[in-house]
Amino acid sequence: NAGVTQTPKFQVLKTGQSMTLQCAQDMNHNSMYWYRQDPGMGLRLIYYSASEGTTDKGEVPNGYNVSRLNKREFSLRLESAAPSQTSVYFCASSNRVGTEAFFGQGTRLTVV
Amino acid sequence: EDKVVQSPLSLVVHEGDTVTLNCSYEVTNFRSLLWYKQEKKAPTFLFMLTSSGIEKKSGRLSSILDKKELFSILNITATQTGDSAVYLCAAGGATNKLIFGTGTLLAVQP
Repeated sequence: NAGVTQTPKFQVLKTGQSMTLQCAQDMNHNSMYWYRQDPGMGLRLIYYSASEGTTDKGEVPNGYNVSRLNKREFSLRLESAAPSQTSVYFCASSNRVGTEAFFGQGTRLTVV
Repeated sequence: EDKVVQSPLSLVVHEGDTVTLNCSYEVTNFRSLLWYKQEKKAPTFLFMLTSSGIEKKSGRLSSILDKKELFSILNITATQTGDSAVYLCAAGGATNKLIFGTGTLLAVQP
């Protein structure tokens, strides 16, 4: 059972480069989320998609864009990476409002 | 603005102690309160609470929600070194937003 799959697991970018983090879930979940986790900051919501075809900003959306490609896939794009975006990024999905969210294994991104 | 606040930020105990972790929340159209345990990697689910006063229990862990006072507690009895982790609390609202607190870092010493 794959659950939530994120790629890549590790990435180093130079300031100003762009990249897309990929996330796919095979649980037929409606909602998907992108979080970043920094030391001492818990998980902060970047963007979420309540259902296929919708996306909404979370707590820290600046510098990011997302695409809900279909029900399975939700990607996060950094158009011009900055050192402040160095973080661990987690994708998650859940079936419906307020239910258990399942997490991917994370992407450790370093921007130099 | 929606927010979730956890306390304490960190805690050091000895094996066999009982600990209580706190979580308060302010979320628009609150639907549920979730607890997660995070060790090295991704958070793993512990409990989901939607009703006040009903305790959820799993082994040595238990949790309860107070929707009037907008808080939840997570209790761990007879702690073991394997309980060492970051414990995260999250609150879900009607728009499907799921907001996390900063977590409580628990260290259990032998």
